[in-house]
Amino acid sequence: KNQVEQSPQSLIILEGKNCTLQCNYTVSPFSNLRWYKQDTGRGPVSLTIMTFSENTKSNGRYTATLDADTKQSSLHITASQLSDSASYICVVSAPSSASKIIFGSGTRLSIRP
Amino acid sequence: GAGVSQSPSNKVTEKGKDVELRCDPISGHTALYWYRQSLGQGLEFLIYFQGNSAPDKSGLPSDRFSAERTGGSVSTLTIQRTQQEDSAVYLCASSLGLSPGQVPYEQYFGPGTRLTVT
Repeated sequence: KNQVEQSPQSLIILEGKNCTLQCNYTVSPFSNLRWYKQDTGRGPVSLTIMTFSENTKSNGRYTATLDADTKQSSLHITASQLSDSASYICVVSAPSSASKIIFGSGTRLSIRP
Repeated sequence: GAGVSQSPSNKVTEKGKDVELRCDPISGHTALYWYRQSLGQGLEFLIYFQGNSAPDKSGLPSDRFSAERTGGSVSTLTIQRTQQEDSAVYLCASSLGLSPGQVPYEQYFGPGTRLTVT
């Protein structure tokens, strides 16, 4: 069964600190992996996208890594800000099927001043 | 340009009533998705429309759920005889579909409709 599992479920850190969120997947075959940020009461917004040939992608203070061999990805947030408080969702797509897009249940990140 | 819009933003209905949720995708996007997100849960795929092809309805949880997309643009998700377990946020997303290499393009999400069945 194609699955995407994220850890931790929730995380609280102090403003200015760094953190790393994890994503393990079993989706096969694999097309691409995206990290989304979902603010409370809003729809998810894409942060990064990586294909199987890429192992790192940055977007400002967000850096995503991908190990296609171990089927693991991480999202590293540097110098966290209060506005980073949100849910971060790992999404894995299978090729040739736009409907086979599997969402993780997300990590809820809270940044405290 | 405008993003994906959904209406209503909130809907409270009594058990047993029918509800209609609307999604206006980004102009030019051929693919449209409906998802359901229960509190603290991941997004659950419901249905996918791509151009004039037959929709992928494999995620609809029961025959009380249906959706249509008129003119390849606006979509309506209908839930008949609502039950309390239908309470969730219903998210719509649109995209350009599949690339020439058969890779799904990025999805753009609407703000969702929060449905509460009492």
